[in-house]
Amino acid sequence: ETGVTQTPRHLVMGMTNKKSLKCEQHLGHNAMYWYKQSAKKPLELMFVYNFKEQTENNSVPSRFSPECPNSSHLFLHLHTLQPEDSALYLCASSQEVAGGYEQFFGPGTRLTVL
Amino acid sequence: ELKVEQNPLFLSMQEGKNYTIYCNYSTTSDRLYWYRQDPGKSLESLFVLLSNGAVKQEGRLMASLDTKARLSTLHITAAVHDLSATYFCAVDNGNKLVFGAGTILRVKS
Repeated sequence: ETGVTQTPRHLVMGMTNKKSLKCEQHLGHNAMYWYKQSAKKPLELMFVYNFKEQTENNSVPSRFSPECPNSSHLFLHLHTLQPEDSALYLCASSQEVAGGYEQFFGPGTRLTVL
Repeated sequence: ELKVEQNPLFLSMQEGKNYTIYCNYSTTSDRLYWYRQDPGKSLESLFVLLSNGAVKQEGRLMASLDTKARLSTLHITAAVHDLSATYFCAVDNGNKLVFGAGTILRVKS
């Protein structure tokens, strides 16, 4: 595997379900990010992790819970979501948060909440 | 709060002609990125611009950054069908990227 991978690629869940999205980066980076991409809205940053520590929570509802066990893996735990949470969830990584390092994106998970 | 505006939001291009996309931002930054996204796909990094006056070129695309004007441009030379995609600029505010809304490019034969 190379670059940034995400699983699953597609997910359909009910509002009472609990599911998790997984992201793995094979680039030796220290920073990882979750973004939400909805139709007709700009890409929204959700969470930032730098050296496994959360450095940004962009006012994300608590029904989204991130976890970063090490610099290569990032999870997004989902519970009691709403239909408006349906979107493409993108993971990205960069060498570090500061310093102008470009971010590399994974293929995304297309989430549908029924 | 940093705001990033792209225009136009939609651009219908004729093959062989030249076009420019503009990215304006509201607060000081000298780091700007251009990404491309194909339908149903992820974002692919195109250019990284890290200083005033930076210019990068790849094939038919050329990006530049004017930090004093808080403006970046993405110039397309002799558009071809393969360039049809959505293009995003993103500005670094020191600890995160703020993305523009994206410009949808469609190239007509």
